[in-house]
Amino acid sequence: DIQMTQSPSSLSASVGDRVTITCRTSQSIRTYLNWYQLKPGKAPKLLIYAASSLESGVPSRFSGSGSGTDFTLTISSLQPEDFATYYCQQSYSNLYTFGQGTKLEIK
Amino acid sequence: QMQPVQSGPEVKKPGTSVKVSCKASDITFTRSAVHWVRQARGQRLEWIGWIVVGSGNTDYAQTFQERVTITRDLSTNTVYMELSSLRSEDTAIYYCAADRNGYNLMGIFDNWGQGTLVTVSS
Repeated sequence: DIQMTQSPSSLSASVGDRVTITCRTSQSIRTYLNWYQLKPGKAPKLLIYAASSLESGVPSRFSGSGSGTDFTLTISSLQPEDFATYYCQQSYSNLYTFGQGTKLEIK
Repeated sequence: QMQPVQSGPEVKKPGTSVKVSCKASDITFTRSAVHWVRQARGQRLEWIGWIVVGSGNTDYAQTFQERVTITRDLSTNTVYMELSSLRSEDTAIYYCAADRNGYNLMGIFDNWGQGTLVTVSS
């Protein structure tokens, strides 16, 4: 299985801050990396697919980068609705695996 | 795309089975592939398996291979996930999610259901 490690596991930030979340994989997955946002009681939301492609309808303050084993999700200017938990996921292997999540909290 | 609608919460005893449904309203349903993913409290998301709706072809994570069956009913635009021999560790929220690339699966989950809480307790 491809192991996924996110950092940090939790993060406190303020509205307007720039935030970066990192995802590292146990082997190269080229750019087969996706990012999701989860909020309690709501359906998860795809933000970024193929490492850097912004899903339709997702605000442009979200961006993704990376290839191989190291990836980042950046939120350029945090908005109140962005406080949530974020997960990376690899779609390189047919056994799809996720990172452990990064909980983004209000400072 | 309209969000798929999942069935309501379930409470089951260990050793029994649960069947969760995921109903799509989109007319492209028959060209889609649907994944099932679960999340136990405090744990990461875990992929269970997929079904290509048109053909009925399925694939399952090895962890669940012996206990899970994913099926579909074309007449009602509904996909089902049945998990058997339940144990307390199966307590989780179960989600269905469409593959962004339809039946040409890419493993990108772009339209998720609201989730179904399954609780396994004696």
